Amino acid sequence: AQSVTQLDSQVPVFEEAPVELRCNYSSSVSVYLFWYVQYPNQGLQLLLKYLSGSTLVKGINGFEAEFNKSQTSFHLRKPSVHISDTAEYFCAVTFTSGTYKYIFGTGTRLKVLA
Amino acid sequence: GAVVSQHPSRVICKSGTSVKIECRSLDFQATTMFWYRQFPKQSLMLMATSNEGSKATYEQGVEKDKFLINHASLTLSTLTVTSAHPEDSSFYICSATTTDAYEQYFGPGTRLTVT
Repeated sequence: AQSVTQLDSQVPVFEEAPVELRCNYSSSVSVYLFWYVQYPNQGLQLLLKYLSGSTLVKGINGFEAEFNKSQTSFHLRKPSVHISDTAEYFCAVTFTSGTYKYIFGTGTRLKVLA
Repeated sequence: GAVVSQHPSRVICKSGTSVKIECRSLDFQATTMFWYRQFPKQSLMLMATSNEGSKATYEQGVEKDKFLINHASLTLSTLTVTSAHPEDSSFYICSATTTDAYEQYFGPGTRLTVT
């Protein structure tokens, strides 16, 4: 069965420090991968996506992620975080054939400390 | 581009009444729309998938008679929570996508509180 795992429910990090939010998936078919950010009481905003091509994907707000097919991972990174990056981050997977439904991870709460 | 709106952003209703939430794609034609429910500090749970002009496909465990979904046009889908109860209080988020597109565009969400 397909699934998405975000191992860290909360990640505290000091301002200007680097951060990595982990995402692993399980699928028997090819996937597309997404990272979204959600601020309190708001919808989801796309940070970046992997559809094909280069496995290193750059997104908005200085975030990047690397697709690793052998490790079935798509970890999100930022070299230097800001207070404003405090939010909930969701990894999502959809499949290259089928219904376009997403499978979401459980989310990681990034808390940036001053 | 690819903007999705939801109305209302917040709604409070009394137990036993029905409430309708609208989801609109403002600058593209949405062949498929999705409705999610999100409990506090949890991930999004897919409730149903709707294709324009077709009946919605509900996920297992979602009561189709309680959560009525209509996708009458390529820019509008509605979710009606019928005979709402306090346990229906939640954050409801819609998303939309176009034919053969894998990215979903999300609305800002609707906070429903049933008293």
